[in-house]
Amino acid sequence: EAQVTQNPRYLITVTGKKLTVTCSQNMNHEYMSWYRQDPGLGLRQIYYSMNVEVTDKGDVPEGYKVSRKEKRNFPLILESPSPNQTSLYFCASSPDRGYSPLHFGNGTRLTVT
Amino acid sequence: GDSVTQMEGPVTLSEEAFLTINCTYTATGYPSLFWYVQYPGEGLQLLLKATKADDKGSNKGFEATYRKETTSFHLEKGSVQVSDSAVYFCALSDFSGGYNKLIFGAGTRLAVHP
Repeated sequence: EAQVTQNPRYLITVTGKKLTVTCSQNMNHEYMSWYRQDPGLGLRQIYYSMNVEVTDKGDVPEGYKVSRKEKRNFPLILESPSPNQTSLYFCASSPDRGYSPLHFGNGTRLTVT
Repeated sequence: GDSVTQMEGPVTLSEEAFLTINCTYTATGYPSLFWYVQYPGEGLQLLLKATKADDKGSNKGFEATYRKETTSFHLEKGSVQVSDSAVYFCALSDFSGGYNKLIFGAGTRLAVHP
């Protein structure tokens, strides 16, 4: 089954403790992206990647890092999480720079205390 | 920059009622327009899209028409079901960066009661 898999689904952590949210897709898609969803703000793009080793900042990249060492994986790294990063995070992929519809993962709800 | 504005929710309807969720946009070019739906506990799924003015997107009984003159893309359904309860996002595509960057509205929660 074609899918985008995020882990974990829920995560509660404390300020400053490094964490990684994993994202993996099994569709051989070139384009992958991370969004955060906040009430009243919709989804905002954090980082995106056109292909392996090609990543770039979205609209809200501060406090986040990403890597794209393999085509299927696009982890989101929070080196020193802060409470304002409490949010619902989605990973998405597309075969062609997003011109085709995005496939979304089921989300990771992160709480930073 | 480009932006999308949706009506605030929640929208609460009885089963078989008519649904309209308003969406207007601001864009410098000629974007494609989308409606995505998010069911509880799931990621977003594309519901419908329209790529140029006067196009009508439709799927699962939902429709939306790309109105360039009013910069709108309102979502409609003639008779909602309980299973339509979800959050609906209007979005536009911004190709200025060489890729399809989706810009989303804030989302509108729909609750349909039996």
